[in-house]
Amino acid sequence: AQTVTQSQPEMSVQEAETVTLSCTYDTSESDYYLFWYKQPPSRQMILVIRQEAYKQQNATENRFSVNFQKAAKSFSLKISDSQLGDAAMYFCAYTPVGAGSYQLTFGKGTKLSVIP
Amino acid sequence: SQTIHQWPATLVQPVGSPLSLECTVEGTSNPNLYWYRQAAGRGLQLLFYSVGIGQISSEVPQNLSASRPQDRQFILSSKKLLLSDSGFYLCAWSVGLAGYNEQFFGPGTRLTVL
Repeated sequence: AQTVTQSQPEMSVQEAETVTLSCTYDTSESDYYLFWYKQPPSRQMILVIRQEAYKQQNATENRFSVNFQKAAKSFSLKISDSQLGDAAMYFCAYTPVGAGSYQLTFGKGTKLSVIP
Repeated sequence: SQTIHQWPATLVQPVGSPLSLECTVEGTSNPNLYWYRQAAGRGLQLLFYSVGIGQISSEVPQNLSASRPQDRQFILSSKKLLLSDSGFYLCAWSVGLAGYNEQFFGPGTRLTVL
């Protein structure tokens, strides 16, 4: 069974600084997708960034980037130039590739606080 | 543009009472629909998913059931609530089953069972 582990329940970062959130996963699949979702205090989950395991290049979306280490099964999220609006719960998620892939397996989340 | 609605936003129910949570999607056809539960301090747990009207797959055997009476309507139900059913329930939709397709989440329903 696939598992996703986020070992940092809470983190904080100074506004304008950079922070990295960790995520590791366990799978026997060779191709899969990884995601970071953000859940702000309003509670509506939104997708931050996604990565296909088949692609070696790390995904980037503006101030958000990932460090994908397939051999180590690690998928960390880096937030640069942190803003107050980045304060939220961040969830790492995994799903295998294929016609039957529908289920996102989530980690327990990391609560990020941004200090002004 | 597509939107997803959930209601009610909050609900307080006594143990043993029935439950009906509704989710509707606008602006898309034939979406895949999902119900998740988020318990305090835990990630999201997939409860049910549906690929079409009347087609429901259950991921976790429990006190809950789901139905999809219309293409863009997804209902989560229970005949008798348990204390352990308390949590935050999220509905989501996606196009296609391929993992790369983003799942879009609704605003959620906070359920408290007393």
